[in-house]
Amino acid sequence: DQQVKQNSPSLSVQEGRISILNCDYTNSMFDYFLWYKKYPAEGPTFLISISSIKDKNEDGRFTVFLNKSAKHLSLHIVPSQPGDSAVYFCAASAMDGGSQGNLIFGKGTKLSVKP
Amino acid sequence: ETGVTQSPTHLIKTRGQQVTLRCSSQSGHNTVSWYQQALGQGPQFIFQYYREEENGRGNFPPRFSGLQFPNYSSELNVNALELDDSALYLCASSLGRRARGDTQYFGPGTRLTVL
Repeated sequence: DQQVKQNSPSLSVQEGRISILNCDYTNSMFDYFLWYKKYPAEGPTFLISISSIKDKNEDGRFTVFLNKSAKHLSLHIVPSQPGDSAVYFCAASAMDGGSQGNLIFGKGTKLSVKP
Repeated sequence: ETGVTQSPTHLIKTRGQQVTLRCSSQSGHNTVSWYQQALGQGPQFIFQYYREEENGRGNFPPRFSGLQFPNYSSELNVNALELDDSALYLCASSLGRRARGDTQYFGPGTRLTVL
């Protein structure tokens, strides 16, 4: 049973336009959400995160929105650039009594930004 | 400050064999997590080590085992390899076992192929 779902395997956008990547989760215990970016032959690189006490976090061209009632988050990239072309993973974690910070990942969305 | 490194980059084994993968943590980090990323999937948490002790485990059988050394480098050992073990194995280091995802730094991974 997938706890973190990215239902769009791929997304193609034009340079300069907005990219919107979506993520849904099922576990109400998740209290911290992250987006990672991964280029081929490299490990995932942290992009942006959001705590469940917030509904928006912004860092430059990247904004993450969290809708707790819908168990949905999205990553907005504006303006999109060709260098943003990569696989984007949504991940979540829960502060439980065991090991903390271990991440549950979605399957990823491959973003292609065309010049 | 050195990043997270993993060795080897690629590895080919046959079913039933044993394999050891290595990870060198980022300088000063005392926690390492291992993830398995199968083709077309997101990384899946295997286990975490904090100060040389296992500090949480995902849904993986006991033939997946690990070690963390006093210098905080670590190993992932897999016995009795199966075809489904073919994947990219990622390690991530962080400072402190309660580190949230944004402070986990991933290595480039080891690509294991089981024939």
